[in-house]
Formats: sequence, C-alpha cells, structure tokens
Amino acid sequence: EPEVTQTPSHQVTQMGQEVILRCVPISNHLYFYWYRQILGQKVEFLVSFYNNEISEKSEIFDDQFSVERPDGSNFTLKIRSTKLEDSAMYFCASHRGYTQYFGPGTRLTVL
Amino acid sequence: AQKITQTQPGMFVQEKEAVTLDCTYDTSDQSYGLFWYKQPSSGEMIFLIYQGSYDEQNATEGRYSLNFQKARKSANLVISASQLGDSAMYFCAMREGGNQFYFGTGTSLTVIP
Repeated sequence: EPEVTQTPSHQVTQMGQEVILRCVPISNHLYFYWYRQILGQKVEFLVSFYNNEISEKSEIFDDQFSVERPDGSNFTLKIRSTKLEDSAMYFCASHRGYTQYFGPGTRLTVL
Repeated sequence: AQKITQTQPGMFVQEKEAVTLDCTYDTSDQSYGLFWYKQPSSGEMIFLIYQGSYDEQNATEGRYSLNFQKARKSANLVISASQLGDSAMYFCAMREGGNQFYFGTGTSLTVIP
C-alpha cells in the first residue's frame, strides 16, 4: 500500500539553525500538508499546498517557515531560524479525494 | 471559539463493548468535511473515517461509524466491539474552506480486558 514517508525521523538542532524536513507524499495525490504536534498536545495545521503553491496557511506559519516542492516527489518544510518552541513532531500528509494520509512524522528537538 | 471540541480527555471501555467519542464543531461554511484519526502510543496518525457535510448517510468503516448530527454540529465516533488494540488517542478534525484543517484536543481511549 502506498504511504507517505518522512525523513529524518528525528532531528536535533541548535537554536537559530535552519532545518529542512523532508516528505515524499503518495505519488498520485494532489494536496500536501504540514502539521505540528507539540508533545502531549493537539495536532496543529501549518500549511496546505496545491498546484505548486500554498493554498492555506495558519497563523503559526510565519516568515520563519517555508515550503517547497523542489521536484516531482519531495515536499519540504524549512524553518529558517529555529526557536526552542519549534520543538515538536512535524507531520506531512497528502490526500486525493477525502482520505488524508499522514507520514510517520519527524521529531524536531531544538536545544 | 474552538473550531473542534472534544470534551472527553479520557475514556475507558470494556473489551467487546461499544464506545462513543464526542466531537462538536463550529463552522459557518456550508461545505466542510469531518475526520477522525487514531494516534497510538507509537505516534503515527491513522485515518479512520470521513463524513462530508452534504452526506446524508452516516459514514461507516468496519467497526467505526460516525454519528453525524448536522443541526447539532456534532460528529461523534462510535467504535463497536472494542479491542485492546483500540487503546489510543483519538482526534476529531474538520476541513473547512479551501484546505485548512482544525483538530480537537483528543480523547485518550483505554480498553480494559
């Protein structure tokens, strides 16, 4: 069964550093998403992406964040200058129709 | 106001019994979608069931069914014949407008043998 993959599974970085989280959505899906989940809290929508551009973004998704689909398969989330409060699990998801599939997540730890 | 409200932080159910997890939502859109996800302790998010705002029938997927009451803006998840493997966090979510999703705070379900 096709699945969304994410790399790395765990990333540790120093405050102020840039990180890039990578996702490979399911190949025939058209909509892509990034979410974050701070430990023990709810899942928060960050951004949705369709037709090579952002279609919606939340208040969390400020200028520190950017997304890209650099080629036909990868979908990346960049955090320019990480803060301690960016420590969270970051999930990528994709869908076509109404079933949304999540990747396994990248746990980002900012020290 | 919260877009998605899950009022039960924790629930217990006896194995083989049915359980209902509550979810209410707030939107002024006519077209929206409601989702339930399961998050086991391993952390992955597993899609369970979807209900569109225009769907007249309640969605069902195996042991999962969604009790959709549009006028009350509720979308409760019913799990029948609970199994030990159902122990997990359950999140209700709504897709509104273009493609923005809102999640509730989740309900932790524990199935007791």
